[in-house]
Amino acid sequence: NAGVMQNPRHLVRRRGQEARLRCSPMKGHSHVYWYRQLPEEGLKFMVYLQKENIIDESGMPKERFSAEFPKEGPSILRIQQVVRGDSAAYFCASSPLSPGPSSYEQYFGPGTRLTVT
Amino acid sequence: AQKITQTQPGMFVQEKEAVTLDCTYDTSDQSYGLFWYKQPSSGEMIFLIYQGSYDEQNATEGRYSLNFQKARKSANLVISASQLGDSAMYFCAMREGPSNDYKLSFGAGTTVTVRA
Repeated sequence: NAGVMQNPRHLVRRRGQEARLRCSPMKGHSHVYWYRQLPEEGLKFMVYLQKENIIDESGMPKERFSAEFPKEGPSILRIQQVVRGDSAAYFCASSPLSPGPSSYEQYFGPGTRLTVT
Repeated sequence: AQKITQTQPGMFVQEKEAVTLDCTYDTSDQSYGLFWYKQPSSGEMIFLIYQGSYDEQNATEGRYSLNFQKARKSANLVISASQLGDSAMYFCAMREGPSNDYKLSFGAGTTVTVRA
């Protein structure tokens, strides 16, 4: 049973380019969360998606960032016109359709390290 | 306001000794969950232990135990019999809100270095 997959693992972009980060949740999971980790900091929530719906985007920057989770295919976090401050590790996590009462069913992917030069 | 506070940026511990990592949290919800994750130098996030707000007993998972003091809003992680492989960054996190929203709030982390 494959875990959460993210690709690419490392991504280098020049300022002004676009970055696309992909996340394939665990099989059977329909909830996806994106988090950002700046150097030497903890993870910060960005967005929570279910299939074809954005449920909570309270942590997303207002400009240049967007996320989707289509009916088919992986979830995509898209950053347009990247700047040096976007350099960070971006983690995706997934949880099942009906999380259990124990509520620790959120599984993290290995992360994508974005470097903006 | 910070939801999760980890006051220890870094700690050193001797191999085979126990270490306690502090975590305090802030929430007005009655139902919430507290998590600890380990992040080794390779970067992945490894789930260690979970404590629900209604759980009466402290959670334990192998060498990890969570010292949950609800009135003080603290959820300290205890690692017993430290091993060199325990050297990593440790994050405390909290889930709050409605039961179908599982976003987590993380603390700034504590770096643990285990000495031989």
